[in-house]
Amino acid sequence: GDSVTQMEGPVTLSEEAFLTINCTYTATGYPSLFWYVQYPGEGLQLLLKATKADDKGSNKGFEATYRKETTSFHLEKGSVQVSDSAVYFCALSDYRDDKIIFGKGTRLHILP
Amino acid sequence: DGGITQSPKYLFRKEGQNVTLSCEQNLNHDAMYWYRQDPGQGLRLIYYSQIVNDFQKGDIAEGYSVSREKKESFPLTVTSAQKNPTAFYLCASSPPAGGAFFGPGTRLTVL
Repeated sequence: GDSVTQMEGPVTLSEEAFLTINCTYTATGYPSLFWYVQYPGEGLQLLLKATKADDKGSNKGFEATYRKETTSFHLEKGSVQVSDSAVYFCALSDYRDDKIIFGKGTRLHILP
Repeated sequence: DGGITQSPKYLFRKEGQNVTLSCEQNLNHDAMYWYRQDPGQGLRLIYYSQIVNDFQKGDIAEGYSVSREKKESFPLTVTSAQKNPTAFYLCASSPPAGGAFFGPGTRLTVL
């Protein structure tokens, strides 16, 4: 079945460093891809999405490009802030059955 | 304001008791979901519903039950058959274009 694999954390960076969180997927169809962020004790918030190959999703300085040839959707940010500390989840959704499948999440710590 | 509400935020249950978690949305979404999150773990799908009066089992449906009598509501019952129910439960809804909206979650603790 469909699945999502993302890099294990925690990832610890200094403020203003460049961030990459890797995400790869396996899907039989043509899924939409998403990144969500979760702050402590809260639900998930949609960060960005891409619905077809070569689409780039972006929001709040974060970007991710839907790469069909490498089945990847890596999350990047040029200069992280302490407030970016959270858990980040990569996910996919197939329009055929509406299921949303999540990766295990990557915890990000940003040091001042 | 549109959104998803879950109640209660914290819930305590004695072993052997059934408990129902509430999830309500006013976003007019057809699709709704229940996920379970354990410490340091990702989200595991319990049940999902694509339309009123219809729902499907997810990956870990055993010990749980749901109903979808109204578009706005998708309650989850954690039954006594669920052997390890202590977890953080998240409800979500999604428009046809994708991109789920999540509620704030309910933290269930079995005493």
